[in-house]
Amino acid sequence: GAGVSQSPRYKVAKRGQDVALRCDPISGHVSLFWYQQALGQGPEFLTYFQNEAQLDKSGLPSDRFFAERPEGSVSTLKIQRTQQEDSAVYLCASSSYAMWDRVLAGELFFGEGSRLTVL
Amino acid sequence: QKEVEQNSGPLSVPEGAIASLNCTYSDRGSQSFFWYRQYSGKSPELIMFIYSNGDKEDGRFTAQLNKASQYVSLLIRDSQPSDSATYLCAVNNFGNEKLTFGTGTRLTIIP
Repeated sequence: GAGVSQSPRYKVAKRGQDVALRCDPISGHVSLFWYQQALGQGPEFLTYFQNEAQLDKSGLPSDRFFAERPEGSVSTLKIQRTQQEDSAVYLCASSSYAMWDRVLAGELFFGEGSRLTVL
Repeated sequence: QKEVEQNSGPLSVPEGAIASLNCTYSDRGSQSFFWYRQYSGKSPELIMFIYSNGDKEDGRFTAQLNKASQYVSLLIRDSQPSDSATYLCAVNNFGNEKLTFGTGTRLTIIP
C-alpha cells in the first residue's frame, strides 16, 4: 500500500486480556517506531526497529509489552494482561532513513493508529 | 523538566492573521527539529523540519530555530480555518534513536 497500515483500528479488551496490534509500514522503509498517545497528549516513544533489529525498547512501560518485526517489514505490538492504564492510541510510524542519519531521521510517516480501550 | 515543552493552548487566531507556535527543548545536543500537524482523530503528519539556526520558509509556514536559547517556533501566515489542528513539536536527540514529541498546541482559526 501507499501508506502505513495499522490493524485493528479499534480494539476493546477486558482487563487481563492479551492484545496484538499490527503495523504494515511503507514498503522498503528501514525504520519502524511504535508510539503511545494518550488523550490530549503527544506521542510517547515505545520502541524502535531498524529492519528486523529492535535497537531501542526503552519506552516500553512494562514487561507486559512486547514488540517484534521478524522479517524487517510487518511489526506486531503485543500487550499481555491488559490494564486500564494501557488505554490509548498506539501509533506506528516508518521512515526510509535509519536513525543514525540524524538530520533527516525525524521524517516519519504515521499510520492511522489503533485505539485500545481496556474495560 | 520535560524534554520538549509546548503551551497546550488552545490558541485562537483570527482568519488571515499570523499564528505563532512555540517550543522549547532541554537537550543541548539536539540536532534536528520537526513540526507535525495532527487533526482531531487523525495521525500526525510532517509539515516542516529545521536543523540550522535561523528561519526556514515553506509556503505559508516558517520554522525558526535558536539553538542558543533552545527554542523552536512555527509561524503560519494568512491562517485558514483548515489550519485548525494540534501542532506537535518533535526533537531528534543526538545519541538517542528516537524522536521526542511535545504535548502539542491546539490551534483554532476563527473565521
